[in-house]
Amino acid sequence: QKEVEQDPGPLSVPEGAIVSLNCTYSNSAFQYFMWYRQYSRKGPELLMYTYSSGNKEDGRFTAQVDKSSKYISLFIRDSQPSDSATYLCAMSDGSNYQLIWGAGTKLIIKP
Amino acid sequence: ETGVTQTPRHLVMGMTNKKSLKCEQHLGHNAMYWYKQSAKKPLELMFVYNFKEQTENNSVPSRFSPECPNSSHLFLHLHTLQPEDSALYLCASSRKSQGSSYNEQFFGPGTRLTVL
Repeated sequence: QKEVEQDPGPLSVPEGAIVSLNCTYSNSAFQYFMWYRQYSRKGPELLMYTYSSGNKEDGRFTAQVDKSSKYISLFIRDSQPSDSATYLCAMSDGSNYQLIWGAGTKLIIKP
Repeated sequence: ETGVTQTPRHLVMGMTNKKSLKCEQHLGHNAMYWYKQSAKKPLELMFVYNFKEQTENNSVPSRFSPECPNSSHLFLHLHTLQPEDSALYLCASSRKSQGSSYNEQFFGPGTRLTVL
């Protein structure tokens, strides 16, 4: 079993839709949860960062962490074609530098 | 230049060639990383350098040889690679590589490597 499971997609939705991206994990020691966005021909960049459980909102983006279910989500409201990218989840237990990554979900927003 | 830069952006090499990838960070960070990214697979951490000292080598084959002459520069020397080594090689940096909190990693655009 992989430590972090993420559906690679692609996920294709129409412009304006609400997008839900998800990761599940097996290690209950994870405390730091990140979402990175990677555009084509670019490196990943940090989009959202959450410590422990709960929700965090930043504009059209909301990150949710449910530690009891070992499940994290990223919601995108009013999706735009410019949101088309690969979204990678990453996690850490905070004890060292290592991030445990999901495989990334390729998201396509159709105009 | 700002952020993390990588050269070359694309590289095609034969299995008997020797080449090097270069990474430079302009962020004043102390930790630098090499990752391998293959399609539909999680990022694979290859090497970590903290204050120029290698702190991690995740069972990477010896045909990959890292070099970190200072905190701003990182190289990955390649020789006698295999076709399965074809991938996107990403360099990243962060303020530090150890500690009890999370440090954001900043990535370069990557080098797309094709081994024939």
